[in-house]
Amino acid sequence: GAGVSQSPSNKVTEKGKDVELRCDPISGHTALYWYRQRLGQGLEFLIYFQGNSAPDKSGLPSDRFSAERTGESVSTLTIQRTQQEDSAVYLCASRGDIGGAKTQYFGPGTRLLVL
Amino acid sequence: AQSVTQLDSQVPVFEEAPVELRCNYSSSVSVYLFWYVQYPNQGLQLLLKYLSGSTLVKGINGFEAEFNKSQTSFHLRKPSVHISDTAEYFCAVSENGNKLVFGAGTILRVKS
Repeated sequence: GAGVSQSPSNKVTEKGKDVELRCDPISGHTALYWYRQRLGQGLEFLIYFQGNSAPDKSGLPSDRFSAERTGESVSTLTIQRTQQEDSAVYLCASRGDIGGAKTQYFGPGTRLLVL
Repeated sequence: AQSVTQLDSQVPVFEEAPVELRCNYSSSVSVYLFWYVQYPNQGLQLLLKYLSGSTLVKGINGFEAEFNKSQTSFHLRKPSVHISDTAEYFCAVSENGNKLVFGAGTILRVKS
């Protein structure tokens, strides 16, 4: 497809379980971002990948959170030993570099509920 | 560090009335500014952006915003709103096109 896609769209898990969230960026976009949106709040930056550079992990809230990206394609965000406060919508965005473009395009998000 | 303040958490307005959603930011360097809209149960969609040049930028759906460097503001305006504009609006700032720092959002409720 032409846009950013994310899967699953919804995920319900039990406290203490691990979850993996997937993001497929727009083809050719070198930059990929993960954000978290808690209920009634704005978006919080989690992690940023740019090409082959070391990712900017400055937004990850704890060492239970990690993310990987293979080349300039798919990324997975993993949350280990989930806690109820991890419940949120996790949004992925990608950005191209053509013409110095600065716009991030967002996927529909994965709604995570930790029981 | 960058920060974004959206001064109103909710803005109720009647259909066909004008609206302004306020956004102020702080940053020690030049920034890029964005407004995104999130319709109920949907993802974020870019409304408009300021990168450089003219301080008045026009976006989709009749929205526009004005960058005011001296007041560090980027308020969003529409001269006449529709019911379909009911959504949550997020202001965001970015240094060098990297990570976005978002405001808390403003819910625009358009009433008939």
